[in-house]
Amino acid sequence: DTAVSQTPKYLVTQMGNDKSIKCEQNLGHDTMYWYKQDSKKFLKIMFSYNNKELIINETVPNRFSPKSPDKAHLNLHINSLELGDSAVYFCASSQDIAGGGTQYFGPGTRLLVL
Amino acid sequence: GDSVTQMEGPVTLSEEAFLTINCTYTATGYPSLFWYVQYPGEGLQLLLKATKADDKGSNKGFEATYRKETTSFHLEKGSVQVSDSAVYFCALSEKSQGAQKLVFGQGTRLTINP
Repeated sequence: DTAVSQTPKYLVTQMGNDKSIKCEQNLGHDTMYWYKQDSKKFLKIMFSYNNKELIINETVPNRFSPKSPDKAHLNLHINSLELGDSAVYFCASSQDIAGGGTQYFGPGTRLLVL
Repeated sequence: GDSVTQMEGPVTLSEEAFLTINCTYTATGYPSLFWYVQYPGEGLQLLLKATKADDKGSNKGFEATYRKETTSFHLEKGSVQVSDSAVYFCALSEKSQGAQKLVFGQGTRLTINP
């Protein structure tokens, strides 16, 4: 029944490693997003995809590479992890691309880089 | 770009107290406005929204009215419960690169004591 799901829920890894986070939505939405929440709870958008096409890229380091195999999935791959990448990463989806549509969020992936 | 400013937290209240969390925004257009809630260890859930001036969003006893003249969207509840303890985020939708993204306030942590 989960609308937006993410795996894994927790991820602990060493600096320099490469890791991926997966996101899936079963809402039939066309648009998906990745947000980053830092240690002070501040949330900021990273990427948005519409129908598998990248439409928003908010000056994120190119160590972060999103991939959308189909419109129900948006994965996030991170190369050469750094301490500052430790955060909670949220996936979201919405129906509207340019309207005031509601975004539905996944449970988050808590990434800790040691 | 657009921005959202929320009341600094943390906020601590007793059960059945009246709650107000202030939110003001800066936007060039007429964005939709949202309140999201994050319970401990969980993802973000939409609490309520308003899409145009003078609209009132309401859910679970919470209300907020879209005030264009004061660029505000304050969250209120008449009688809070311990289960309302969470972090509350005010957000607006901003058009960016031909799509829509959410711009969040810094979050307000609310603790309700029995």
